[in-house]
Amino acid sequence: AQKVTQAQTEISVVEKEDVTLDCVYETRDTTYYLFWYKQPPSGELVFLIRRNSFDEQNEISGRYSWNFQKSTSSFNFTITASQVVDSAVYFCALRKEYGNKLVFGAGTILRVKS
Amino acid sequence: GAVVSQHPSRVICKSGTSVKIECRSLDFQATTMFWYRQFPKQSLMLMATSNEGSKATYEQGVEKDKFLINHASLTLSTLTVTSAHPEDSSFYICSARVGPDPRETQYFGPGTRLLVL
Repeated sequence: AQKVTQAQTEISVVEKEDVTLDCVYETRDTTYYLFWYKQPPSGELVFLIRRNSFDEQNEISGRYSWNFQKSTSSFNFTITASQVVDSAVYFCALRKEYGNKLVFGAGTILRVKS
Repeated sequence: GAVVSQHPSRVICKSGTSVKIECRSLDFQATTMFWYRQFPKQSLMLMATSNEGSKATYEQGVEKDKFLINHASLTLSTLTVTSAHPEDSSFYICSARVGPDPRETQYFGPGTRLLVL
């Protein structure tokens, strides 16, 4: 069975602080995909990143960076110099390579205060 | 990224009535669409996979007769909540996969908030 754990229920930071959102997953598959989505108060899920299990290179996109550690089954997400607009719920998700079903973690509420 | 729309964005209905929610892929053809449900402050749970021209595949525990899914075209899937009850009140989100390759990313619609009185 597949499972995604986001242990941090809620994180509060002050603007310009760096923040890391943790994601730990469980799967028996050798090939799979990991995702991060952002859900702002409006409700719409915004796709942030997809990572194939064979690609362990860390990725940076502007203020966002992702650290994929297959050895510890973790796919953590770091926001550098956080901004108020980053306030949202962030979901980590897992999917089989050829599967349809996205298995979501419980989500982490990020509050960035000015 | 690809654009997915949902209509309506918010609906309030009386218990016992049926509600239809539309999900459209605006700039691409979606062979497969997905319906998720999200209770307040909880995660998203997949309800069913909607395939164009064929029957939907429902997840375990989801009543197919209560949540009717129709995927009549490559750009439209509908979810009908039949005989809605207050416990059906939730946030319903659809997503669509770009292309037939199951490895492709799913893009989500803005969601529909359903309140059953």
